[in-house]
Amino acid sequence: EAGVTQSPTHLIKTRGQQATLRCSPISGHTSVYWYQQALGLGLQFLLWYDEGEERNRGNFPPRFSGRQFPNYSSELNVNALELEDSALYLCASSAPGQGGGNEQFFGPGTRLTVL
Amino acid sequence: GNSVTQMEGPVTLSEEAFLTINCTYTATGYPSLFWYVQYPGEGLQLLLKATKADDKGSNKGFEATYRKETTSFHLEKGSVQVSDSAVYFCALSGRTNAGKSTFGDGTTLTVKP
Repeated sequence: EAGVTQSPTHLIKTRGQQATLRCSPISGHTSVYWYQQALGLGLQFLLWYDEGEERNRGNFPPRFSGRQFPNYSSELNVNALELEDSALYLCASSAPGQGGGNEQFFGPGTRLTVL
Repeated sequence: GNSVTQMEGPVTLSEEAFLTINCTYTATGYPSLFWYVQYPGEGLQLLLKATKADDKGSNKGFEATYRKETTSFHLEKGSVQVSDSAVYFCALSGRTNAGKSTFGDGTTLTVKP
């Protein structure tokens, strides 16, 4: 069974540009989560999508947005990039009906560098 | 809100030493507790989990027991190997605010031969 996949592996942008990161969950998983892992910091929760809807959002500005497609894959968009957006962005998925107590399966991440 | 406090690192041990990484949590209700491991250059992998009080999660020689009375989920391994060098994250997922797992800051473990 294929795991969570993310693309691209690395992404280099300049300040003010937009970045688009993609995630494909494990087959059968309906929830997708996005986390930011900046250098030296822990995981910061960004967004949770389930069944195509945004269910929860972390403390990030509106220029961080995303969506989930009918096939449950997801996209994270970061507009007006700032230097401090440089980080590893991790996507995770979980099976339906887990609600609380859900085990999340992580992808390898996309390393975003903003110059 | 929910929070997870992990033992600060980095932790450096010699091969075959005993490992303990402390983790305590604050949560409403009865959360599920997890330990994830992140090897260099990779994403997180679930190491073990426990879903109710007194449950013991175990995997690859690691174990942790869900202690509700002390709100703790300490990770232990009797004899570490060089290949265990990684960053370890304690996390919880509560039944309220479902979908949002809360992670500790991570503890970097380095095992020297």
